[in-house]
This record gives sequence, C-alpha cells and structure tokens, in this order.
Amino acid sequence: DAKTTQPPSMDCAEGRAANLPCNHSTISGNEYVYWYRQIHSQGPQYIIHGLKNNETNEMASLIITEDRKSSTLILPHATLRDTAVYYCIVRPENRDDKIIFGKGTRLHILP
Amino acid sequence: DVKVTQSSRYLVKRTGEKVFLECVQDMDHENMFWYRQDPGLGLRLIYFSYDVKMKEKGDIPEGYSVSREKKERFSLILESASTNQTSMYLCASSLSGRESTDTQYFGPGTRLTVL
Repeated sequence: DAKTTQPPSMDCAEGRAANLPCNHSTISGNEYVYWYRQIHSQGPQYIIHGLKNNETNEMASLIITEDRKSSTLILPHATLRDTAVYYCIVRPENRDDKIIFGKGTRLHILP
Repeated sequence: DVKVTQSSRYLVKRTGEKVFLECVQDMDHENMFWYRQDPGLGLRLIYFSYDVKMKEKGDIPEGYSVSREKKERFSLILESASTNQTSMYLCASSLSGRESTDTQYFGPGTRLTVL
C-alpha cells in the first residue's frame, strides 16, 4: 500500500503557482519523499526528492514540514504542459526498492 | 540526461503468441525494473534485476520471464500471451538499489494489447 495521501484532483490557472499537497504521517526517519508525474500515455517522469530540507530544481520546489509528516510540491509558473497526474512517494529503505505509486493528484491547468 | 528507451510504444499480439519487450538504458545503471500499469491498480512490479544475469521476482511475475544478458538491456518475455496481459508496460532503471535515495527513471511505456 502507498504510504501517502493526496487529493484526487486539483485545478490551477496557467501562469500561477501550483501547490500540490501530500500527507505521509507514517514516514520513517530515513525515508525520502519523491515526486513523479505522469503525462497521459507516457512513462512516469521524476521531478524531485528530499529528506527533510526544502529542495529546488529546474522543475519544481519541494517543501517538507519540520515534522516530515507532509510536504508540498510547488510548480512556480504552471503551463498547460504541466497537466498530468502527480505522485508523491515515500521510498522504502531496503534492497527491494520498488516504487509504490498511490492514486496521485490529477492536476488540470486551466488556460 | 538519463535515457530509457523501449522498443515499441504500441504493440498488438494474439493470444498464445510469444512477446518480447525490450528496454535499453544509456546511463550504465545497475538496476532495471519492469512494471505494468493498469487503471485502478497503479504500478505493479513484475521483475527486477540488480546486475547482469541476475533477476528477482516482483509482485506479479506469473506469466512473465526476463533476460539481462547485457547491463544496458533488460527484456520482458511473455511466453504465451493472454488477454489479461493487456496493459501498459513500463521499464525503469536506477543507479543502485543499495541506497534508498537512488532515483528510478522510466521509459515511455509500451501499450500492449492481446487479442
């Protein structure tokens, strides 16, 4: 089972920041938070990951709360091409490092 | 950039046919994975490999086999395709599975239809 909870869908106006929340209240101290997205009919695309500090890359920013029980993915200036399902994932720390995707958040960018 | 490629984007086969799905990665990654993705069921791991000639079963290996003769290539084989194997098949690779921080990178997917 996925260890994360996300809203099933969200809308965001084009050009605005899209803030996607994720709850992971049972996360262990050495587990990372990963975000992927999947555009229709394509393979999942890695976005960003973090442990406890906030992270930023060319695609997005990741804000992790101090207690690590939730996080927010921020797409600073959403475009129509950001329409996708966004998955928040907690990575288990063992040799069998399969990824367990939950249902994700379907993000609609509105023109 | 990491590149994971899959041999076909769309494939249509008949029941009972032997099907090969090929995956190639160009980043010298040790680990490679095969998943299938179905509506309402999410991603499910079929097989994975940590090294050449090594393979381990995932959650749903029945009806599938794999081959990893070279580090960059991981093949998924359906010995006798059945209609319940109609699905989107996704290949992924990662540098090493020994640390939880290793990112998996996915290919574009192969949508297989078995008639």
